[in-house]
Amino acid sequence: GQSLEQPSEVTAVEGAIVQINCTYQTSGFYGLSWYQQHDGGAPTFLSYNALDGLEETGRFSSFLSRSDSYGYLLLQELQMKDSASYFCAVDTGRRALTFGSGTRLQVQP
Amino acid sequence: GAVVSQHPSRVICKSGTSVKIECRSLDFQATTMFWYRQFPKQSLMLMATSNEGSKATYEQGVEKDKFLINHASLTLSTLTVTSAHPEDSSFYICSANRREVDTEAFFGQGTRLTVV
Repeated sequence: GQSLEQPSEVTAVEGAIVQINCTYQTSGFYGLSWYQQHDGGAPTFLSYNALDGLEETGRFSSFLSRSDSYGYLLLQELQMKDSASYFCAVDTGRRALTFGSGTRLQVQP
Repeated sequence: GAVVSQHPSRVICKSGTSVKIECRSLDFQATTMFWYRQFPKQSLMLMATSNEGSKATYEQGVEKDKFLINHASLTLSTLTVTSAHPEDSSFYICSANRREVDTEAFFGQGTRLTVV
């Protein structure tokens, strides 16, 4: 089967740094994506890693280790608007995505 | 940026009726679109891959006769929930990539379906 594991909830304060981990076990792997979803909204793309290493995009960075089937999303300088659910997702081919269970991030003042 | 539009955003229907949800790519052509379902506070689950000009590919456990998918043009895919039941109440979301080589998926706004 396919499974992606993430922590269910994370709480942090404004200005802090938070890391959301994702471990995966899938039958195919082309890359690991991260998406943000606010309550009632559509997921929005944050990052994609196809190769091992760190990708940085502004306050957000994403890391992948294919040998460990592991990745993480790093959010820096947290803002209140970052409170949302974060999903890792594996591209199993053809750009179809298998999503993780989601991590609910709560940013406190 | 690329935009995917989904309509309607909310729909309430009676048990036994059918509901059609539209997904449009507004500024690009999409030969492939994806349909997901999301229950409250849960993850997105891929239901099917919609292929322009050919049959959709359904994920294991998704009834193709219940969830009819039609991808009649390069910018429009429709999902029809037939003979809806309360357990079909969910958030349905479509997505598309601008090009198959692109890694960023653009999602529609989602459709909240409530079957009463």
